[in-house]
Amino acid sequence: NAGVTQTPKFQVLKTGQSMTLQCAQDMNHNSMYWYRQDPGMGLRLIYYSASEGTTDKGEVPNGYNVSRLNKREFSLRLESAAPSQTSVYFCASSERWRGGASYQPQHFGDGTRLSIL
Amino acid sequence: SQQGEEDPQALSIQEGENATMNCSYKTSINNLQWYRQNSGRGLVHLILIRSNEREKHSGRLRVTLDTSKKSSSLLITASRAADTASYFCATDGFTTPGSARQLTFGSGTQLTVLP
Repeated sequence: NAGVTQTPKFQVLKTGQSMTLQCAQDMNHNSMYWYRQDPGMGLRLIYYSASEGTTDKGEVPNGYNVSRLNKREFSLRLESAAPSQTSVYFCASSERWRGGASYQPQHFGDGTRLSIL
Repeated sequence: SQQGEEDPQALSIQEGENATMNCSYKTSINNLQWYRQNSGRGLVHLILIRSNEREKHSGRLRVTLDTSKKSSSLLITASRAADTASYFCATDGFTTPGSARQLTFGSGTQLTVLP
């Protein structure tokens, strides 16, 4: 029962380098999300994908791009890393809301700890 | 911007005691959820309370919601060392069927349960 898998778990980058964070879920969920978690700030939504083929900006999208590769995979790319992007990044997935009283919670991976020097 | 703000930021209690955490939010919500995060791990969903509910129970968890005060509380009864974690409230605004649910998280309460 893998759930949501994120790779890598840790990464150190130099300012200006680029990298892609990978996320895959095996729960057949339609919706996927990328968050960042900074000390004392809780989680903030970067981008989300309601379903395969769609992506939308969240609260803090600047400096990031995303790709919904297929239903299982949702990647986050930093094109030119900056020290302000040092954070822990979490990917999550959930089923799409079908209306009414139905609800499905978000399921989270264990995060990628990213340091940018 | 943070929708939910937890209080206190940190709480330390003895095993067997009850722990109460509070969450305040700013705008109208569809429902409010609580998540737990163990050190170095992702968040795990604990319980959801809808805007038309006032109280909900799940095992040792009790959640209340006061929409007039825009606040919620999470009570963990008979706490255990394994309950040591950060607890986050998350508010869920109104959206349309077929859309992704966007949660807005608070800054969390760090609970330490001493054996």
